[in-house]
Amino acid sequence: DIQMTQSPSSLSASVGDRVTITCRASQSISSYLNWYQQKPGKAPKVLIYGASNLQSGVPSRFRGSGSGTDFTLTISSLHPEDFATYYCQQSYTTPTYSFGQGTKLEIK
Amino acid sequence: EVQLVESGGGLVKPGGSLRLSCATSGFTFSDYTMHWVRQAPGKGLEWVSSISTSSSYLSYADSVKGRFTISRHNAKNSLFLQMSNLRAEDTAVYYCARVWVPTSGWPYLDFWGQGTLVTVSS
Repeated sequence: DIQMTQSPSSLSASVGDRVTITCRASQSISSYLNWYQQKPGKAPKVLIYGASNLQSGVPSRFRGSGSGTDFTLTISSLHPEDFATYYCQQSYTTPTYSFGQGTKLEIK
Repeated sequence: EVQLVESGGGLVKPGGSLRLSCATSGFTFSDYTMHWVRQAPGKGLEWVSSISTSSSYLSYADSVKGRFTISRHNAKNSLFLQMSNLRAEDTAVYYCARVWVPTSGWPYLDFWGQGTLVTVSS
């Protein structure tokens, strides 16, 4: 099984800050890496697919990069609505998937 | 408009059974692989199971293998998860989700339901 490890587990930042979340796979997953945002009481929403492709309708301040085992999600300038929990997910072993443990982004 | 609506959650005793449903609309259900993902209270997302378009391929997380059965009824645009021998650790919100495969070939979960809560407790 492929294990996905995110860091940090939580992060405090201010509106306007640039933040980076990392995700590491236990083995190479090429670019089969997706990022989701989840707000309390809501279903997850995809932000980035294929490691670096922005989902339609997602603001351009979200950027994904990486391939192989190491990936990053960068938010260039935090907006108030960006405070949420972020998950990476690998689809390399489709139809079985696995998620990272999540990164909670909180307001400083 | 794509919609996925889960139902069937509730309180069940350890060892009991429950059947979750996911009613879909707004897309050709039979064209899409579907998944179940769960989230224990205050915890992260856990992939549970998937089913191919014609039900030929079924996959399960090790944590539910042998206890959960995924199925679908394409004519009724519905997805199901039959859960048996339930344990306290199965307590979670269960989401159904649709897979989208873009031309690039990298699949992802593009639409999710709102979730249904399953509580396993005596």
